[in-house]
Amino acid sequence: DTGVSQDPRHKITKRGQNVTFRCDPISEHNRLYWYRQTLGQGPEFLTYFQNEAQLEKSRLLSDRFSAERPKGSFSTLEIQRTEQGDSAMYLCASSLHGIMNTEAFFGQGTRLTVV
Amino acid sequence: KNEVEQSPQNLTAQEGEFITINCSYSVGISALHWLQQHPGGGIVSLFMLSSGKKKHGRLIATINIQEKHSSLHITASHPRDSAVYICAPGANNDMRFGAGTRLTVKP
Repeated sequence: DTGVSQDPRHKITKRGQNVTFRCDPISEHNRLYWYRQTLGQGPEFLTYFQNEAQLEKSRLLSDRFSAERPKGSFSTLEIQRTEQGDSAMYLCASSLHGIMNTEAFFGQGTRLTVV
Repeated sequence: KNEVEQSPQNLTAQEGEFITINCSYSVGISALHWLQQHPGGGIVSLFMLSSGKKKHGRLIATINIQEKHSSLHITASHPRDSAVYICAPGANNDMRFGAGTRLTVKP
């Protein structure tokens, strides 16, 4: 297993366009987390999945954001009608149990720039 | 006041110096991660601890649950230690994050 992988690593999009990011967690990990990190700040929680169930969403996740984990393996995060304020690093993490109960593994992130 | 406060925000050291980064938090926790983030974004968990002290190579992490404080120490610092170090306390599925300490170690 090569760890948590995210695709793409970088995305530049025009305001108003839709974008989709993918996260492939470590294969046996049933917990998958999405975070957003703006420049100079620590990450902020967006949402997490236990297997295919989305169990919690932050109020940061507006109606324009949707996340799925259809078969409990990879996950996608879609942003519709992107705004300049969406520009950030989007990080994915996975763990075998709760992220504070066990070792956590992070992906390299997807850096989104909305122009 | 932020839930997780780190100090200092920025730290420049000469190779070989002993480094200390501090973290204070106000939330109830079951554990705390110290994370390392290199330019380009990838994050690595260095430690997860819930009490006492852990050591891995030149890195030492301590936590005092009663005082809600943790420290990360780097002995004999090296330029390759240059990165952002993030304190992340929490419980179960809830990980909170500090803003990070940017460490630059000069040769």
